[in-house]
Parts: sequence; C-alpha cells; structure tokens
Amino acid sequence: GAGVSQSPSNKVTEKGKDVELRCDPISGHTALYWYRQSLGQGLEFLIYFQGNSAPDKSGLPSDRFSAERTGGSVSTLTIQRTQQEDSAVYLCASRYTGKETQYFGPGTRLLVL
Amino acid sequence: GNSVTQMEGPVTLSEEAFLTINCTYTATGYPSLFWYVQYPGEGLQLLLKATKADDKGSNKGFEATYRKETTSFHLEKGSVQVSDSAVYFCALGPNAGNNRKLIWGLGTSLAVNP
Repeated sequence: GAGVSQSPSNKVTEKGKDVELRCDPISGHTALYWYRQSLGQGLEFLIYFQGNSAPDKSGLPSDRFSAERTGGSVSTLTIQRTQQEDSAVYLCASRYTGKETQYFGPGTRLLVL
Repeated sequence: GNSVTQMEGPVTLSEEAFLTINCTYTATGYPSLFWYVQYPGEGLQLLLKATKADDKGSNKGFEATYRKETTSFHLEKGSVQVSDSAVYFCALGPNAGNNRKLIWGLGTSLAVNP
C-alpha cells in the first residue's frame, strides 16, 4: 500500500513568509509525528497526534510553529514568519495504534533565504 | 531521562569490510530499541528492532543485539557493500505512559568505497 507522503518535497521561501507543509499518513494509522532534521543534527521531535486526543506540542520550538490534523488523517505543519534557522528537513511519520514502528515520509526540505 | 548516545561519524569503509556502529542508551524500564537507515535522498526506514533483553534484530545482513547488562545495541554487518552507504540512526522506544515518541541518536554517516 501507499506509504507516508509529504508535500512539497522542496520549499524555498523568504525570511518572514509563512509556509505550510503537508503530511498524508498511511491509511489507518492513528498516530502521527512531525520531526525536524537539521544539517548534522539528529531528529528533533516537534509534535504528536494520536486519534482525537489533544496533541503533544511539547517539541514545538516557538509559537511560530503550529500543526493541525484534520479528520484524523492529513496533517499540516505551519511555520509563520519563517527565519533562516528554520531551514531543515521536516519529516512526518505515522504509526498504527498499539504498534511501535514509525513509518516515515520522504520529508520536505525547507530553505529560508 | 531516557537518552541515546551513538557513535559519531562519518565512518568510511572499503567494500566487504566489517562494520560496527556503537549505540548505548539510558532508560528506565525495558524499552524497545531500533535502528533506522536513511539512504541518500530518501526517508527514514526501519532497519531492525529488538523488543527485549537478549533479542537480536536482523535485516539485510545487519544485526544488533539488545544488551541490558551493557545498555547497548550496537549495529554490525560482516561485509558491507557500496549500497549500504547511508546515515544510520539508533532510537530508543517508548515507555508506557508517554506519547510513544522515540528518543533518537544523532545519526552515523557511513560511506562505503568500492
């Protein structure tokens, strides 16, 4: 079946602009994660959605970052007033309830000029 | 809190060499342990995992054994290929009660030369 998909694959934006990144998880996966991967760094957890529960936003680096998940499926990560330090690869992963393995999308490479 | 320490890279090997990438962890309880791999231009993929002490995960010729006594989960392969060139991430699995997020190492870049 289809894996996790993300769009766009690449995004170049100017400092101060807002961006929206999209994640389409594997069908039936109720858990969804957003991570950030900066050059030379590991994966930084951003936010976690599980079903209809309130999301765990503990990893969001600032209030410029927000995410939503509509209908328990597609998720959008929004970065407002982008800064150059926001440049990174943003990864989405999904997981089936009760299972530990996370399945990752190919990521969105964001470059803020 | 829980943490993962992974061998720093980059690691450069010749084809058919033996590979070890070290990973140690600190954790309460008995979390699962994972190795993920990220090939150039691709997303992260699960390589192997182990869910309890003394378990050995294996896939594509790679192996890792969950060692509780040394709190380690080192990744090994007896004979690497050029196609194994990638970044490898060790991760610590979720404990009950948290959001089931994984704790990640920083990744080890492997380059295999022909």
